[in-house]
Amino acid sequence: QQQVKQSPQSLIVQKGGISIINCAYENTAFDYFPWYQQFPGKGPALLIAIRPDVSEKKEGRFTISFNKSAKQFSLHIMDSQPGDSATYFCAATHSNYQLIWGAGTKLIIKP
Amino acid sequence: EPEVTQTPSHQVTQMGQEVILRCVPISNHLYFYWYRQILGQKVEFLVSFYNNEISEKSEIFDDQFSVERPDGSNFTLKIRSTKLEDSAMYFCASSGGGTNEKLFFGSGTQLSVL
Repeated sequence: QQQVKQSPQSLIVQKGGISIINCAYENTAFDYFPWYQQFPGKGPALLIAIRPDVSEKKEGRFTISFNKSAKQFSLHIMDSQPGDSATYFCAATHSNYQLIWGAGTKLIIKP
Repeated sequence: EPEVTQTPSHQVTQMGQEVILRCVPISNHLYFYWYRQILGQKVEFLVSFYNNEISEKSEIFDDQFSVERPDGSNFTLKIRSTKLEDSAMYFCASSGGGTNEKLFFGSGTQLSVL
């Protein structure tokens, strides 16, 4: 019930392509869904987040798509750049409960 | 942008020894957290701290672990008697409004237990 399942584990995308990372959850009480980006040797940093009252949120090249009925949300990176190469984590929480983290996706953008 | 500062960046210790990991959260933040991560894998929640007390802790955070905010700026994680399996990267984080707001993470302390 408290798990967040993230896929794929790793992803290689050509420069300029679209990177798509998917997450699924079970707990319908979750009401906050952030994505964190982590570079090697650094802590995670919030990239973008969504609440279930909207189906999509866009910030620059990064978009979260949210499907409440399917209990799924995904991160889309448009025009992927080598600087986007990092590990991406989805997470979910409700009512200030601890963040439940996905297992992470290692993204490599090939120049 | 304000930063969460963690010291030391690397800590090597012998099994059974006590270690204290230190963090300086962002000054006007009220919520503090410790997470750990083993070899770039899943981020694991340890504990959250608010209003000078633990607000939530995970199964990992057993009696060997403790947290303290000894003054107005520092937030520490103590492991009383380290085990080999405590070897991990430990991240401190803080936020102004709990886990439903942006968490700011430090760069971590790599703990190696030998």
